[in-house]
Amino acid sequence: QVQVVQSGAEVKKPGASVKISCKASGYTFTSYYMHWVRQAPGQGLEWMGIINPSDGSTTYAQKFQGGVTMTRDTSTSTVYMELSSLRSEHTAVYYCARGGNSNVYFDYWGQGTLVTVSS
Amino acid sequence: EIVLTQSPGTLSLSPGERATLSCRASQSVSSNYLAWYQQKPGQAPRLLIYGASSRATGIPDRFSGSGSGTDFTLTISRLEPEDFAVYYCQQYGSSLWTFGQGTKVEIK
Repeated sequence: QVQVVQSGAEVKKPGASVKISCKASGYTFTSYYMHWVRQAPGQGLEWMGIINPSDGSTTYAQKFQGGVTMTRDTSTSTVYMELSSLRSEHTAVYYCARGGNSNVYFDYWGQGTLVTVSS
Repeated sequence: EIVLTQSPGTLSLSPGERATLSCRASQSVSSNYLAWYQQKPGQAPRLLIYGASSRATGIPDRFSGSGSGTDFTLTISRLEPEDFAVYYCQQYGSSLWTFGQGTKVEIK
């Protein structure tokens, strides 16, 4: 069965970086895009960007360009998202989500990773 | 960028009642590109409806989606206790994916 499992919660100081992992299993990793979605405390869902696990190409939402880097490792079926120059506003739960057939919706989600930025 | 506006913000209903949630787009959205998700506290969102009206795997038939163009609706025919949650619509267009702000369905 399809599973998407994310790394655990992180606490970081302002100015630091964090790298979150998202390991996929139960399907052909390179056949489906992976997205990242942010949810600030008490807020809604915000699409951050997409990575094509087949070739590593990425597209980021304009709001997140410059501060986010998405990569993948096909040998371990894992995608990563690195956030740099963290500020308190980056405190949120970050989800990876698989792009469903035709890549227009998200059919399987990771459990979420809470990133807390605090001095 | 297409903006999705959901209404109402909060819906207060009793178990067994019918829930009607609205999602309005700032520009026309292809029906194939409109989805709905359910999110419970502390959990990841779950896909309910894709293609505006197709239920995802394992979703009960009390959930239905409809609409086209700029107006879409999620209907829960008879609310079960486990249906009280936040619901989001989502669209794809021009290599961008966007969500509505959510509707909370709470117990009256």
